[in-house]
Parts: sequence; C-alpha cells; structure tokens
Amino acid sequence: DAGITQSPRHKVTETGTPVTLRCHQTENHRYMYWYRQDPGHGLRLIHYSYGVKDTDKGEVSDGYSVSRSKTEDFLLTLESATSSQTSVYFCAISERPTEQFFGPGTRLTVL
Amino acid sequence: GENVEQHPSTLSVQEGDSAVIKCTYSDSASNYFPWYKQELGKGPQLIIDIRSNVGEKKDQRIAVTLNKTAKHFSLHITETQPEDSAVYFCAASQDSGYSTLTFGKGTMLLVSP
Repeated sequence: DAGITQSPRHKVTETGTPVTLRCHQTENHRYMYWYRQDPGHGLRLIHYSYGVKDTDKGEVSDGYSVSRSKTEDFLLTLESATSSQTSVYFCAISERPTEQFFGPGTRLTVL
Repeated sequence: GENVEQHPSTLSVQEGDSAVIKCTYSDSASNYFPWYKQELGKGPQLIIDIRSNVGEKKDQRIAVTLNKTAKHFSLHITETQPEDSAVYFCAASQDSGYSTLTFGKGTMLLVSP
C-alpha cells in the first residue's frame, strides 16, 4: 500500500462521540486525501492537503475536519459522529495531483 | 465541477473472454484518467492511467483508450482470469495545481472459471 498506514482499521462508536482517524505515510509525498466509500456512491473526497497546514474541502466535507501538522500525518476528525458517517474511510497520497495511492482503509460504524 | 459516469455497474464474463468498462466525463479541461482495481477488503490500486496527449495505452492484458472529442475513455481487459474479479473505478482530473480526482461509481467485474 505504498507506505501508507491507517489507524484504527476498525472502529465502532456511538452517536455524538468524537472520532479521529489517522493516516501516516513514509513516502514524503506532498498531497494527502481523505475519501469515504459507500455502496452506490463510489469514492467521494472529504478533505485534502497540499502541504503542511494547507488543507481544503472536498465534495462531502460537512461534519468533518482535518489537520496536518507534519508531512507524514493527516488526521480526519468527526467532531460529533452521526450514523450517516458510518462508512469505509480511505486515505490516499500523491506527489503530484494525479497518481494517487491508497491506504488499506478504516471501517467506521456509528451506532 | 467534473462529473464521471461509469458503465456497466456489474459485468459477468467467462474466463478467457474480454471485458470492457466505459466512462464518460463532463469537464473538457480534464486531462488525466486513471483506473483503479479494488479487491474485497482492500484499498483501490492504480492499475493504469492515460493522459490526454495519448489515445491508447497498454500494459500486458489491460489497455485504456481515450476519445477526447466524445469525452469518454474505456478499460479493456483481455483473456480475463478469475483473479481479475474485483471492483474497477475510473476517474478524471486536471493535472495541475490543486485539482482533485473525480471517481465513477465503480464496476463489479466477475470472472467465472
């Protein structure tokens, strides 16, 4: 998975609790992305980063925030999880805004 | 913004047959078109890509064709094998600045022995 790890790999939480997912890379790539994958919707971009402390919103950013304090780590936070945020979350990295390489994913269930 | 349509949503073939998956895009400024393969329980894996200055690209049993005028591109898999069974995604973007990939909704390919 191109030097990308995601943690945790599985998480079950309750509605209203905060959740943070971590993406860690060892490739020193500039760009990092968070996607969610849901049946019938494919992959949808939540947020992305084009450098340390430089982030921008994607297609489905409501209810999510991100932070990138160092090149290798990109955190996705659900401030108050809802059942609609039950999904599989993928992190991706790229050196250019084209060839993206994906991590193994985190399966999140919000009860 | 960009919109990518992918067809079919499911495709069943016999081992040894060819499989073709088609995508259309809406933004004429898009110039980068990757294809990803996702096996069950794993992240998508980039298998081939094409840029708009090229009409076709091949890598062993897989090939991608691009028709910029019609704004569509296709993935061709020849001599399919059971291990080709997976979900395939197409995507489109501009190769510049802060552009991002827009994905199709995926095609589930099932290759029967």
